[in-house]
Amino acid sequence: DTGVSQDPRHKITKRGQNVTFRCDPISEHNRLYWYRQTLGQGPEFLTYFQNEAQLEKSRLLSDRFSAERPKGSFSTLEIQRTEQGDSAMYLCASSFGLAGVDTQYFGPGTRLTVL
Amino acid sequence: SQQGEEDPQALSIQEGENATMNCSYKTSINNLQWYRQNSGRGLVHLILIRSNEREKHSGRLRVTLDTSKKSSSLLITASRAADTASYFCATVLFTGANSKLTFGKGITLSVRP
Repeated sequence: DTGVSQDPRHKITKRGQNVTFRCDPISEHNRLYWYRQTLGQGPEFLTYFQNEAQLEKSRLLSDRFSAERPKGSFSTLEIQRTEQGDSAMYLCASSFGLAGVDTQYFGPGTRLTVL
Repeated sequence: SQQGEEDPQALSIQEGENATMNCSYKTSINNLQWYRQNSGRGLVHLILIRSNEREKHSGRLRVTLDTSKKSSSLLITASRAADTASYFCATVLFTGANSKLTFGKGITLSVRP
């Protein structure tokens, strides 16, 4: 399968614990995006990488959130000291970065539940 | 923050009928895209229309864009039960190299067999 993959698919944690999610983009894609989606809402942008450089972060991304993309391949999103409000679906997308036509391909998401 | 607003919020039709979904947005855009999401899963890209285009077709999908009214519509013809899903419009305004998507809240489409 050459699509975007995310791991784990589901994560249940207790408030205050740290969690880390992984995203493996389509191999030739140089752009990688993280979004968060809560129930009944559309996804909201969190952060963006071009190769290994994190070029933009949303104000939604508090200090408890950190994302990395070492070597410009897979990416990780870590949430420290989780709160119940962090419960959501975390979606990763990648794209080739063609000017004017930057179609993003999404992974299946990681559903986080904070108890 | 959400940019697009889809209308209606929910739509229920009979298999074989056409489904029309509308999206309005607030700011300038470079392109507008429609995505489908099956229950609790990732999003699937359906179609992209650039700001200088007015209409595009892809299979049973037809999308229109009116930048003067800041609105778009997605038409699914001859709907099937498998079209049951949530549909989102998303706008893109290039900021440097970033093509982040700004989504609406989505439309829930139910197609009855």
